[in-house]
Amino acid sequence: KAGVTQTPRYLIKTRGQQVTLSCSPISGHRSVSWYQQTPGQGLQFLFEYFSETQRNKGNFPGRFSGRQFSNSRSEMNVSTLELGDSALYLCASSLPGTSGISEQFFGPGTRLTVL
Amino acid sequence: QKEVEQNSGPLSVPEGAIASLNCTYSDRVSQSFFWYRQYSGKSPELIMSIYSNGDKEDGRFTAQLNKASQYVSLLIRDSQPSDSATYLCAVFKASNTGKLIFGQGTTLQVKP
Repeated sequence: KAGVTQTPRYLIKTRGQQVTLSCSPISGHRSVSWYQQTPGQGLQFLFEYFSETQRNKGNFPGRFSGRQFSNSRSEMNVSTLELGDSALYLCASSLPGTSGISEQFFGPGTRLTVL
Repeated sequence: QKEVEQNSGPLSVPEGAIASLNCTYSDRVSQSFFWYRQYSGKSPELIMSIYSNGDKEDGRFTAQLNKASQYVSLLIRDSQPSDSATYLCAVFKASNTGKLIFGQGTTLQVKP
């Protein structure tokens, strides 16, 4: 079974621009969660999508948004980029959890650098 | 107080030894617990999940959970240099759909 894929793998943008990142989950997985990883803050949860609906959102400004398509693929968008948005953006896919179980499998990530 | 705490290390062990990685969490309603391994420049890889008190073994890895003490640990037996990585503890609550809360990670160095 193919793993989680993310595109692009690397991005360099300048302040003020916007960016769209894509994530394709493992076949059959319907939940996609997005995380930001930085050396200072570690892994921080951005949001989670299931059946094209955002079910949960972390403490990030509204410049960070996402969506999910009917085939479970997901995109996240960051508008008006700031230097502090430089990070590794990870998506993770999982089956719909039951009884609180939610094994998440991560993609390779998108390394975003904002200049 | 952080929700999930780990000693950042580095934890250095000789090849063949047992490495013991520890994690504490603050929210008693946490239900599911995970250990991820992350090599430098790579994404996290799930190595163990544990949901009930006690031990769970998978090859050289043993996860231990004590909900009363709000403590979860990972033991790596017969440590190999290839085990050198950052180990992330993650916690899940059903009330927080889709969200794993991660510790800062412990860096493990296995010396030949």
